[in-house]
Amino acid sequence: TQLLEQSPQFLSIQEGENLTVYCNSSSVFSSLQWYRQEPGEGPVLLVTVVTGGEVKKLKRLTFQFGDARKDSSLHITAAQPGDTGLYLCAGWEGNYQLIWGAGTKLIIKP
Amino acid sequence: GAVVSQHPSWVICKSGTSVKIECRSLDFQATTMFWYRQFPKQSLMLMATSNEGSKATYEQGVEKDKFLINHASLTLSTLTVTSAHPEDSSFYICSARDHPWARNEQYFGPGTRLTVT
Repeated sequence: TQLLEQSPQFLSIQEGENLTVYCNSSSVFSSLQWYRQEPGEGPVLLVTVVTGGEVKKLKRLTFQFGDARKDSSLHITAAQPGDTGLYLCAGWEGNYQLIWGAGTKLIIKP
Repeated sequence: GAVVSQHPSWVICKSGTSVKIECRSLDFQATTMFWYRQFPKQSLMLMATSNEGSKATYEQGVEKDKFLINHASLTLSTLTVTSAHPEDSSFYICSARDHPWARNEQYFGPGTRLTVT
């Protein structure tokens, strides 16, 4: 079974700062997804990256898939309190099962 | 997008009793449904995968006799926690997809918070 290491586990920063969350593996994933989860709710899909080197932007969020499709990053520019939440990366093992990272608890202080 | 609902949103039950959680796909037919468990501040842990009309496949370490999964129709799967104990208290999340090979299309329910007293 492939593993996904997500870092940092916890991050608390001031509003307006930038941050990056990393998701790394020694194995290749066919695609990788980033989710955001609010307390007491299910995860919500933010993006899917499929091609090595792919970069996708969602407003102030930039997602990148590594060239070798073993790692991915999420960069948030000028973080806002509304960005607070648990961010989860998940990679597809074959076509069938999602492998989850441990999650990054992000707190943006006003 | 596709919507998955769960019922109830939260439930409190006494130790030794059983509780059933429903997962419904509201606007699509879910050939495959997944049940996850999540502890506070932790990631999702896959418990089992169920395909409509067949027995669920449980992950290693998950007791199939304790966590009964029924996927009797294309829009409904149920998870029954039998003889619940306080250590079963957790956040249970289901997800569904409409095709066995719909790799990037998996829709998550809002979760059910179970507290066993």
